Amino acid sequence: SAVISQKPSRDICQRGTSLTIQCQVDSQVTMMFWYRQQPGQSLTLIATANQGSEATYESGFVIDKFPISRPNLTFSTLTVSNMSPEDSSIYLCSVEVVGQGSNEKLFFGSGTQLSVL
Amino acid sequence: GESVGLHLPTLSVQEGDNSIINCAYSNSASDYFIWYKQESGKGPQFIIDIRSNMDKRQGQRVTVLLNKTVKHLSLQIAATQPGDSAVYFCAERNGANNLFFGTGTRLTVIP
Repeated sequence: SAVISQKPSRDICQRGTSLTIQCQVDSQVTMMFWYRQQPGQSLTLIATANQGSEATYESGFVIDKFPISRPNLTFSTLTVSNMSPEDSSIYLCSVEVVGQGSNEKLFFGSGTQLSVL
Repeated sequence: GESVGLHLPTLSVQEGDNSIINCAYSNSASDYFIWYKQESGKGPQFIIDIRSNMDKRQGQRVTVLLNKTVKHLSLQIAATQPGDSAVYFCAERNGANNLFFGTGTRLTVIP
């Protein structure tokens, strides 16, 4: 397994500002991902955070809005830029851990509850 | 992305009864499926997984069944306890190794 620390755990932000969310893992992992969970809904993959290169974004998400850093194998940040109320969501960091028998498992942090006024 | 959906958005069961949560997926090429449990204010927690070359897998009090013919996945929880109350998500992995999540089912256990 992996222990994932995500901060802040929650924040209330003003429209037009930006927030950077940090994700720290207790071990080196190859794959790190950022998900969004809108109120009462399921999880949507934003992007894969690639170490040493630009993140890979899913359809509907762009780097200008959600810049991601991945400076090493244990840390990543997601920035929500120029926020609007529609960005109010839970943002979740996740990591993939390869276990016995090459079974990959995805573990999640506790998430960042973002409210934009 | 893929369409992964659940038949029942809410499920209420009596404590001690068995629970069955269902999930339909659309991508026949998906090769790996996971069930997650999410309690209020927490991130999703891994419960059990199954690969497409299997049709059943058992864990502690939980069983996952996979029917590839009809693209259906289910999670069975035996002797449901109050601590099982949560939202349960199924997720499928496609060929690009990305995980897509279903809508979620809220399970409420009645004492």
